[in-house]
Amino acid sequence: AQTVTQSQPEMSVQEAETVTLSCTYDTSESNYYLFWYKQPPSRQMILVIRQEAYKQQNATENRFSVNFQKAAKSFSLKISDSQLGDTAMYFCAFMKPLNRDDKIIFGKGTRLHILP
Amino acid sequence: AAGVIQSPRHLIKEKRETATLKCYPIPRHDTVYWYQQGPGQDPQFLISFYEKMQSDKGSIPDRFSAQQFSDYHSELNMSSLELGDSALYFCASSRDRGYEQYFGPGTRLTVT
Repeated sequence: AQTVTQSQPEMSVQEAETVTLSCTYDTSESNYYLFWYKQPPSRQMILVIRQEAYKQQNATENRFSVNFQKAAKSFSLKISDSQLGDTAMYFCAFMKPLNRDDKIIFGKGTRLHILP
Repeated sequence: AAGVIQSPRHLIKEKRETATLKCYPIPRHDTVYWYQQGPGQDPQFLISFYEKMQSDKGSIPDRFSAQQFSDYHSELNMSSLELGDSALYFCASSRDRGYEQYFGPGTRLTVT
């Protein structure tokens, strides 16, 4: 079974700083998707960034980028020039792109506070 | 762009009552997923449907049932509600199994 581990329950950084959220996962699959979801106080689940395991290039979306280390099964999220609106719970997530087992498995989350 | 619609957004029920949550997927999405997020918890997969058939099942209590209708909307029926059923229930849709899932805003269920 797949597992996702986020070792940082909570983090705080000053506005405009760079912060990195850690995530490790365990799977025997060779092809899969990894995601970072943001859940602000509104509780909406917002997809921040996705990575396909077969792609070696790290995904980037504006201020958000990942460091994907497939051999180490590590998938960290870097937020550059952090903003107050980045304050949220962040979930690392895993999904197998298979027809009958495509549920998303979430980590326990990291609560991120951006301080003014 | 159209998003996943869930109704109601908030629901308050008493113990032992029944609740029905509805999910309207993004147009042309034929796959629907239900997740439950308890207070301070990560979302947990309940059940999914593809082309109106149950596709996968997670940790869904026997008191819960769900189905997907001909117009692809889905309903989650919850009976004999317990205090522990209080949670945020997300619906997500996808254009096919194994593709990116788009989450709705969630239904917050409170059981008193």
